[in-house]
Amino acid sequence: DAGITQSPRHKVTETGTPVTLRCHQTENHRYMYWYRQDPGHGLRLIHYSYGVKDTDKGEVSDGYSVSRSKTEDFLLTLESATSSQTSVYFCATSRDLNNEQFFGPGTRLTVL
Amino acid sequence: DAKTTQPNSMESNEEEPVHLPCNHSTISGTDYIHWYRQLPSQGPEYVIHGLTSNVNNRMASLAIAEDRKSSTLILHRATLRDAAVYYCILISEGSNYKLTFGKGTLLTVNP
Repeated sequence: DAGITQSPRHKVTETGTPVTLRCHQTENHRYMYWYRQDPGHGLRLIHYSYGVKDTDKGEVSDGYSVSRSKTEDFLLTLESATSSQTSVYFCATSRDLNNEQFFGPGTRLTVL
Repeated sequence: DAKTTQPNSMESNEEEPVHLPCNHSTISGTDYIHWYRQLPSQGPEYVIHGLTSNVNNRMASLAIAEDRKSSTLILHRATLRDAAVYYCILISEGSNYKLTFGKGTLLTVNP
């Protein structure tokens, strides 16, 4: 395992509040990813990072921002959470784009 | 964008081989074919990936059609622990990085 942790593991929040999810890795992988998983949609890429301070948008980036100030940490922020952002969020890391991705245990977010 | 199509579900018996198909008719020359699986309440787990040639590892084999428009993940002897959702995804290199997950195939393994 690549030593990926996500925090918090569960969160319930209210519409309009800011939320930050953290992904931490201990493998010094260059690439980090944030996905969301919803019933009927499989996994969808939100944002990814290819280095410190280097990030790019994925398929469903609207309403989300990310930051990577250190190799080991990748933060996902919902500036103003909406009920449509209720989902399970997975972080992943990889050495390169076409290497194996290692996934974290997931964060279940509920926006009321 | 290139997309993948997989059957919603498949069923197998324990210790028998399983062939999980994936269609990706709009695949581009730089797309890699990756397979992941996801057990209930867990994050996805890498299984195998390839570009053009067939690939083998300790978990499975990947057979890629000559025209690359389809691929098949082969589990040589299914076990109960192989029951999971299997995802076939395409990853594009280069400046226009894309990663497209399909809906996945739910594999049921019968004892």
